[in-house]
Amino acid sequence: EIVLTQSPGTLSLSPGERATLSCRASQSVTSSLAWYQQKPGQPPRLLIYGASSRATGIPDRFSGSGSGTDFTLTISRLEPEDFAVYYCQHYGSSPDTFGGGTKVEI
Amino acid sequence: QVQLQESGPGLVKPSETLSLTCNVSGGSLRNFYWSWIRQPPGKGLEWVGYSYYTGSTSYNPSLKSRVTISLDTSKNQFSLKLSPVTAADTAVYYCARGGATVWFDPWGQGTLVTVSS
Repeated sequence: EIVLTQSPGTLSLSPGERATLSCRASQSVTSSLAWYQQKPGQPPRLLIYGASSRATGIPDRFSGSGSGTDFTLTISRLEPEDFAVYYCQHYGSSPDTFGGGTKVEI
Repeated sequence: QVQLQESGPGLVKPSETLSLTCNVSGGSLRNFYWSWIRQPPGKGLEWVGYSYYTGSTSYNPSLKSRVTISLDTSKNQFSLKLSPVTAADTAVYYCARGGATVWFDPWGQGTLVTVSS
């Protein structure tokens, strides 16, 4: 089973600042990595797939990078609605697994 | 666009069977993978398993002996059965399109299932 480790656990920032979230895989997942945003009481929302492709309707302030074992989600300028929990997930080899999440808080 | 909606009992007794259904509207089950994912209160996400539209399935090894996922193409639905359940199975259960080689999108709104006597 591939283990995904997200860091930091919590990121305290202000609106307008840049957020950099990390996801590290225990073995290579090539580019089979997705990022999701989850707000309280809501299901996760797909942001990024294929490590760097934005999902439909996702603002361009969200960007993903990386391949192999090290991945980054960057939010260039935080908007108030971006404060949430972010999860990475690998797909392509069973079982699909999720990282533990990074909470982006004000 | 495709929308998913979970339904089923919100309370299940220990040692009994958790049964949920996901209704898919706005699209067909055909040519896609369909998954269940769960999230214990205040915790992270855990993939439970998927079924391909052909009926081929794959389950999380940690749950494999207790899980069954099935499709009903005539009703455009897929279902989850988990048995027997314990308090550790208390979670919000989400259905989603995706799994195997594909990311999860879209997701249902989720349904909270509590295991308690």
